[in-house]
Amino acid sequence: QQPVQSPQAVILREGEDAVINCSSSKALYSVHWYRQKHGEAPVFLMILLKGGEQKGHEKISASFNEKKQQSSLYLTASQLSYSGTYFCGTERGGGSEKLVFGKGTKLTVNP
Amino acid sequence: DAGVIQSPRHEVTEMGQEVTLRCKPISGHNSLFWYRQTMMRGLELLIYFNNNVPIDDSGMPEDRFSAKMPNASFSTLKIQPSEPRDSAVYFCASSTRSQETQYFGPGTRLLVL
Repeated sequence: QQPVQSPQAVILREGEDAVINCSSSKALYSVHWYRQKHGEAPVFLMILLKGGEQKGHEKISASFNEKKQQSSLYLTASQLSYSGTYFCGTERGGGSEKLVFGKGTKLTVNP
Repeated sequence: DAGVIQSPRHEVTEMGQEVTLRCKPISGHNSLFWYRQTMMRGLELLIYFNNNVPIDDSGMPEDRFSAKMPNASFSTLKIQPSEPRDSAVYFCASSTRSQETQYFGPGTRLLVL
């Protein structure tokens, strides 16, 4: 089951904040976040394992609510370099390493 | 480390031709994944290997697609015969083990005319 990401696209001015959500209809073991710039490969941002943890990477952080089967990515004081498409990949566990990716959220940060 | 290496980076072929995509995972990684990315369908997992053994090929679209991993440092994805709807970017990714980061290669842009 492909996770659902929202919003599909967001446009920000430099310095503004954004939240990207990722929801699944199935119980999750972990959520992976990636960023892909145009014409490039997806690049890993962070993994969140079940347990409701929150992680941070510079001014980008994320949370994982196991009960609600959703994760949110928080981008604070956005920079031009944050522009790209953000994907969440969900893993159901049970020995499977398979990630199912959402369709992505396109983030554009303007000066 | 050089990262995941894919070849060719670009491939243009005619419908009906055989296409072979190649991937060299990061040394020491024992899981390898093949993905296909299109605007319509996003990033789809085609197949993944663990210790050179195919574990899940449920994403392989049809019998025209096949993948092999003869050793820990090399994998191929073959399409025979190719069709225009196979046009996409094909990514290979590798990781050390379950729940770990997947490192993506630069991708192969395939265009089937």
